[in-house]
Amino acid sequence: DAGVTQSPTHLIKTRGQQVTLRCSPKSGHDTVSWYQQALGQGPQFIFQYYEEEERQRGNFPDRFSGHQFPNYSSELNVNALLLGDSALYLCASSSAQGLAYNEQFFGPGTRLTVL
Amino acid sequence: AQKVTQAQTEISVVEKEDVTLDCVYETRDTTYYLFWYKQPPSGELVFLIRRNSFDEQNEISGRYSWNFQKSTSSFNFTITASQVVDSAVYFCALNTGANSKLTFGKGITLSVRP
Repeated sequence: DAGVTQSPTHLIKTRGQQVTLRCSPKSGHDTVSWYQQALGQGPQFIFQYYEEEERQRGNFPDRFSGHQFPNYSSELNVNALLLGDSALYLCASSSAQGLAYNEQFFGPGTRLTVL
Repeated sequence: AQKVTQAQTEISVVEKEDVTLDCVYETRDTTYYLFWYKQPPSGELVFLIRRNSFDEQNEISGRYSWNFQKSTSSFNFTITASQVVDSAVYFCALNTGANSKLTFGKGITLSVRP
């Protein structure tokens, strides 16, 4: 049973560019959440997708957008990259069914460096 | 708003010592869930334990145990007989409902020396 997968593993971009990160949820999961983890900090919630719609959003600017596909996979897009966007981007999947306090399973992350 | 505070930033112990990681949380919700995650150098967050606000019973699972006290809003995590492989960053996290966002603390870097 494959866990959460993310691609690419590492990415280097320059300021002003755009980037797309991808996530495939754990089998049986239908909800995908994205987090940004700056160096030395805890993960910060960006947004969550369910049924192909953004359901919740954290305090991130509109430069951060996302999408969820019918197969539940998801993309995170960041436009007009800033140096401060350099971070580890984590994807987490969970199920809308079952236990109320469902566990979020995390992927290995994508390390984004903006030069 | 929710907040998680991990006052300890770095802890270093010698193998086989017991170590307790502290976590204090804030929320106005009466129903909430607390988690501990481990992040090894590889970067992937690994789920360790979960507790809901209705259950203050403290448990032991293998070398892990936790102490949940609503009166002090604390959710401390103990590793018994630490091992080198326990070296990682440990995060305490909070959410307030099904599929709601996780609010994380800043993490505690644990180093276990042989």
